[in-house]
Amino acid sequence: DAGITQSPRHKVTETGTPVTLRCHQTENHRYMYWYRQDPGHGLRLIHYSYGVKDTDKGEVSDGYSVSRSKTEDFLLTLESATSSQTSVYFCAISESGQGYGYTFGSGTRLTVV
Amino acid sequence: KQEVTQIPAALSVPEGENLVLNCSFTDSAIYNLQWFRQDPGKGLTSLLLIQSSQREQTSGRLNASLDKSSGRSTLYIAASQPGDSATYLCAQGDDYKLSFGAGTTVTVRA
Repeated sequence: DAGITQSPRHKVTETGTPVTLRCHQTENHRYMYWYRQDPGHGLRLIHYSYGVKDTDKGEVSDGYSVSRSKTEDFLLTLESATSSQTSVYFCAISESGQGYGYTFGSGTRLTVV
Repeated sequence: KQEVTQIPAALSVPEGENLVLNCSFTDSAIYNLQWFRQDPGKGLTSLLLIQSSQREQTSGRLNASLDKSSGRSTLYIAASQPGDSATYLCAQGDDYKLSFGAGTTVTVRA
């Protein structure tokens, strides 16, 4: 989607290794989110950010950490990847944070073997 | 904990038939209710947003209604086309996040 880029698009990693996913935006939006999507669960919020260095946990944050040192970048780190973290990860941005005006990235498909 | 439910999980209809997709939510104090479309291997595209003070929104062949008292939203797609085949997700918005249903996967048969 225009204005938001996720990298990598696909990644296969081994159990126990650290993994970092990157979300980059060019819209200068204040709010950034990381979601994961699994069959039968829809999208579930992992972490979100409401400004540089301001982050908070979502409903499925265990095993994940995030950082936002610049407005445009929001990083999601799996410190020690597990098979249960095999999923599709979506980043989203929002100017208002009030549940609307979201733009989603194209997703990162992560496989932990 | 907010819960958003979409039934059925999958739906197959012949071309031209009207589609009715259902979404139920547990928190009546919602800010808004949104409908998204997701094509295979792609991200989400916003279709319609209904603010909590509104009853419905329309865009072309799409119409979404919101009934906060019953905790339900319905997405209607008139005269379905094969290009409408996708997964449709509803999401309840609150002051900082969206809570999603698992989606309904729609197949429109030519």
